[in-house]
Amino acid sequence: DAKTTQPNSMESNEEEPVHLPCNHSTISGTDYIHWYRQLPSQGPEYVIHGLTSNVNNRMASLAIAEDRKSSTLILHRATLRDAAVYYCIPIRYNYGQNFVFGPGTRLSVLP
Amino acid sequence: DSGVTQTPKHLITATGQRVTLRCSPRSGDLSVYWYQQSLDQGLQFLIQYYNGEERAKGNILERFSAQQFPDLHSELNLSSLELGDSALYFCASSAQGSYGYTFGSGTRLTVV
Repeated sequence: DAKTTQPNSMESNEEEPVHLPCNHSTISGTDYIHWYRQLPSQGPEYVIHGLTSNVNNRMASLAIAEDRKSSTLILHRATLRDAAVYYCIPIRYNYGQNFVFGPGTRLSVLP
Repeated sequence: DSGVTQTPKHLITATGQRVTLRCSPRSGDLSVYWYQQSLDQGLQFLIQYYNGEERAKGNILERFSAQQFPDLHSELNLSSLELGDSALYFCASSAQGSYGYTFGSGTRLTVV
């Protein structure tokens, strides 16, 4: 399984953009890059995923480096409700999937 | 409501006892995954089932077992419970070929 490195914590001001980095230098060519977030006392929630191209959805944008060894989750305007732990996970779709959550980045959003 | 239903939401039991946690996946999803999250710890993958068959196994203790039934719901059985088994247990489901995984709201198990 590809290993990931994320900052333990980050802070942002409300309504400002947030860039959450993830290093996955051992990723394989067939691993998709997934991002999930976990709000306090809740289960993880899917945010976005991608393979090679940058991706946008209603929640966030995902910027993937050309060599795929890193990616950045972009929250365009942070709100207080975005305060959560954000996980970057390389996932390979095969017979048995064992996707591993690292410690993630705890994002605090200041009013 | 994510579509993945876990019951019960809370469970308090004594050491040495056995409990069963239940998960109903999102309609149409064939895969079920179980995770354990202890206080201030990360999510630990336990086991995955696909359409009734075990597909992947993680750090699941021998005292724990799981199964997925023909109606696709899954149960996680925890026996000879210890204080250290106190945790949140999450179930997730996914459809074949799907790129997203949907998690339930979890069962909080407290062993006293």
